[in-house]
Amino acid sequence: GAGVSQSPSNKVTEKGKDVELRCDPISGHTALYWYRQSLGQGLEFLIYFQGNSAPDKSGLPSDRFSAERTGGSVSTLTIQRTQQEDSAVYLCASSLVAGGTYEQYFGPGTRLTVT
Amino acid sequence: AQSVTQPDIHITVSEGASLELRCNYSYGATPYLFWYVQSPGQGLQLLLKYFSGDTLVQGIKGFEAEFKRSQSSFNLRKPSVHWSDAAEYFCAVGGNTGNQFYFGTGTSLTVIP
Repeated sequence: GAGVSQSPSNKVTEKGKDVELRCDPISGHTALYWYRQSLGQGLEFLIYFQGNSAPDKSGLPSDRFSAERTGGSVSTLTIQRTQQEDSAVYLCASSLVAGGTYEQYFGPGTRLTVT
Repeated sequence: AQSVTQPDIHITVSEGASLELRCNYSYGATPYLFWYVQSPGQGLQLLLKYFSGDTLVQGIKGFEAEFKRSQSSFNLRKPSVHWSDAAEYFCAVGGNTGNQFYFGTGTSLTVIP
């Protein structure tokens, strides 16, 4: 069965450009999470979606970051006017339902490098 | 504030030796605790989780972890490490109503022959 997939696997962009990162969750999973993993840091929560509810955006570091989830499935994380400090691995995870009792399944991540 | 501390950034063990990775948490409600493993170029894989009940939980790949409420700890153990266990290990805490998970900064494990 297909797991969580993310694309691209690697992205190099110039400072100031916009980037879009894509996540395809496991079919049937209603919850979808985005995390950022910087070198030497743990996973930093960015945003999560649960079904048709309004997303929890409390972890987004600035208004340059946004995310959407279309049709309750695929999600796109957009970073506008990228900065060098945005360089990190962006991980997506999905679970059957949001909440600690449900296992999160992680994708392989997108490594973003801002030059 | 909710947080997870993994005090060991890097650990090196010999193959066949025992392993213990430390994890301390701060959480304002009943914690749900997790250990994940991340191999190079891979996503995180759940090793085990604790919700309630028996404080010693068994996971995949021969790992176990013990929840100690009095110490706010959830240390990961394995009696005999294999070379394939070399990876990054993350401890995380969440709750049954909260929708955020808090991860530690990870412990990198090197296994030497």
